[in-house]
Amino acid sequence: GAVVSQHPSRVICKSGTSVKIECRSLDFQATTMFWYRQFPKQSLMLMATSNEGSKATYEQGVEKDKFLINHASLTLSTLTVTSAHPEDSSFYICSGERIGETQYFGPGTRLLVL
Amino acid sequence: AQSVTQLDSHVSVSEGTPVLLRCNYSSSYSPSLFWYVQHPNKGLQLLLKYTSAATLVKGINGFEAEFKKSETSFHLTKPSAHMSDAAEYFCVVSDRDTGRRALTFGSGTRLQVQP
Repeated sequence: GAVVSQHPSRVICKSGTSVKIECRSLDFQATTMFWYRQFPKQSLMLMATSNEGSKATYEQGVEKDKFLINHASLTLSTLTVTSAHPEDSSFYICSGERIGETQYFGPGTRLLVL
Repeated sequence: AQSVTQLDSHVSVSEGTPVLLRCNYSSSYSPSLFWYVQHPNKGLQLLLKYTSAATLVKGINGFEAEFKKSETSFHLTKPSAHMSDAAEYFCVVSDRDTGRRALTFGSGTRLQVQP
């Protein structure tokens, strides 16, 4: 149990376009979802925390207007990278958390902006 | 503020020999500590977690870790390495008392297992 999926697994887009990444908890209800990014050979850095039905809380230095997060249901959160640029190329990972339990991570989405 | 330091960016062992991945943490409150493994092109998998129960925590695939408050350490060990253990390992901390459930990741240790 406790499986989290992400779609797409990898995406290539042109600079200036927007990209949406979906994160789904398949067999549990995630009251909170987290979005991380991971640059090559580096650790995961938390971008934002989202609770179902409320606005996301962004970490310092993360532009909320660039990285739009929607958590419309207990099983789905989306991250939209707006007007993507090459420096946004990264590995984006989401996690879902049941109340009081461990976070379960998705397999990640590799974004390449040309 | 909480932080995690993984003392080795890269560890290489021979198959069948013991594994030791070192982790030191800093936390203002009672921490929860985790070890996650990341295989290439796969998601993060939880190996084990410490949340104030027994200080010696047993995880999956023969891994275990010992919480030592006096040393602020949470080293990961395995008696005998297997080729399939080759991966990136992350030590992670979460401050339970602050109610902040976001995880802080260490920089990672790449484990290489030689045949």
